Amino acid sequence: DQQVKQNSPSLSVQEGRISILNCDYTNSMFDYFLWYKKYPAEGPTFLISISSIKDKNEDGRFTVFLNKSAKHLSLHIVPSQPGDSAVYFCAANAGNQFYFGTGTSLTVIP
Amino acid sequence: ETGVTQSPTHLIKTRGQQVTLRCSSQSGHNTVSWYQQALGQGPQFIFQYYREEENGRGNFPPRFSGLQFPNYSSELNVNALELDDSALYLCASSSGGGGNYGYTFGSGTRLTVV
Repeated sequence: DQQVKQNSPSLSVQEGRISILNCDYTNSMFDYFLWYKKYPAEGPTFLISISSIKDKNEDGRFTVFLNKSAKHLSLHIVPSQPGDSAVYFCAANAGNQFYFGTGTSLTVIP
Repeated sequence: ETGVTQSPTHLIKTRGQQVTLRCSSQSGHNTVSWYQQALGQGPQFIFQYYREEENGRGNFPPRFSGLQFPNYSSELNVNALELDDSALYLCASSSGGGGNYGYTFGSGTRLTVV
């Protein structure tokens, strides 16, 4: 039962351009949505979150958009940098239950 | 400020055995959660502890159990190991009980069951 889905396993973007990572979910009771970034041999690192009552949250080059009617969220990275190359996980929580997507591997080409 | 540390980093066990994985939370964090990440999958939530009490559990059988100690370090115990238990086990801590708090993850313990 995959309640959080990332349908694109990989994405390649030119340095300086926008990276858009997408995530879909099925549970309308999720309270918060989070994005994590993971480098090889390291644990995931928290990037940014958004409450279910908001539709946008911005932190520097990272912006998360939430479309509740479509049960869809996206992470925008502008401008993309080579150091952003990593696996990005979308996550959501309802109470004390947490759900992760399967990840999208982003490659930023110099 | 130290991050989350997990031990051991790698472990090989035989089917049917028991295993204990350990986690030291980041300083000041009172909440710890454990995840199982199979190859090619996202982390799957096992359970969460807040101030030594389990306060959330994912879809894992009772042979997965845990403890949180007064210093907020934690253990994950798995009994009667099965081949499908082979995975990366991640520990994460935070200073809140959930919500939008950014959890700090350790680098994980790679468990192989043969």
